[in-house]
Amino acid sequence: AQKITQTQPGMFVQEKEAVTLDCTYDTSDPSYGLFWYKQPSSGEMIFLIYQGSYDQQNATEGRYSLNFQKARKSANLVISASQLGDSAMYFCAMTLAGGFKTIFGAGTRLFVKA
Amino acid sequence: SQTIHQWPATLVQPVGSPLSLECTVEGTSNPNLYWYRQAAGRGLQLLFYSVGIGQISSEVPQNLSASRPQDRQFILSSKKLLLSDSGFYLCAWSPQLGYNEKLFFGSGTQLSVL
Repeated sequence: AQKITQTQPGMFVQEKEAVTLDCTYDTSDPSYGLFWYKQPSSGEMIFLIYQGSYDQQNATEGRYSLNFQKARKSANLVISASQLGDSAMYFCAMTLAGGFKTIFGAGTRLFVKA
Repeated sequence: SQTIHQWPATLVQPVGSPLSLECTVEGTSNPNLYWYRQAAGRGLQLLFYSVGIGQISSEVPQNLSASRPQDRQFILSSKKLLLSDSGFYLCAWSPQLGYNEKLFFGSGTQLSVL
């Protein structure tokens, strides 16, 4: 069965430092997409970064990068130079071929300290 | 540009009362539409998705139903709310089906059933 696991319920990081949020996934389907979304206290889900299962290089979007290790089935999010505004819930998600269903992990709450 | 509107933002309803949450998308045609529910401190669970007018697929058997009376309108309903229906409801859309398609979310509705 398809599953997303985020094992860190909460994380603290000092402002301006980098932080890694862990995500592992489980699927036997060769075609899939991995996503990270940010959910601030306002509740809206904001797309951060995408990695396709056939992509050879790790995805990057500004201060966000995705450390994709296919053999280990992990898709960790790295946030560089953390800012106070990065404090939020972060969700890892996976969409399979067919594309109508996106599965979300339980999320990691990130706290950025000044 | 495309925008998604979801209302109301908060709703407090007694057990046994009906429910209607509405979501509309602007600036695109024939979007794929989704209703997700997020229990407190947890990830998102897909409730319904729709690929066209009148086409509704349910992911989880429950006390809720969905309808798509117009191309860019998606409605979540219940005839009689249960305590377990409390949660944060998010509407989302995507331009196409595919494992590389990100979701665009509305601002959510916090539903409290008392």
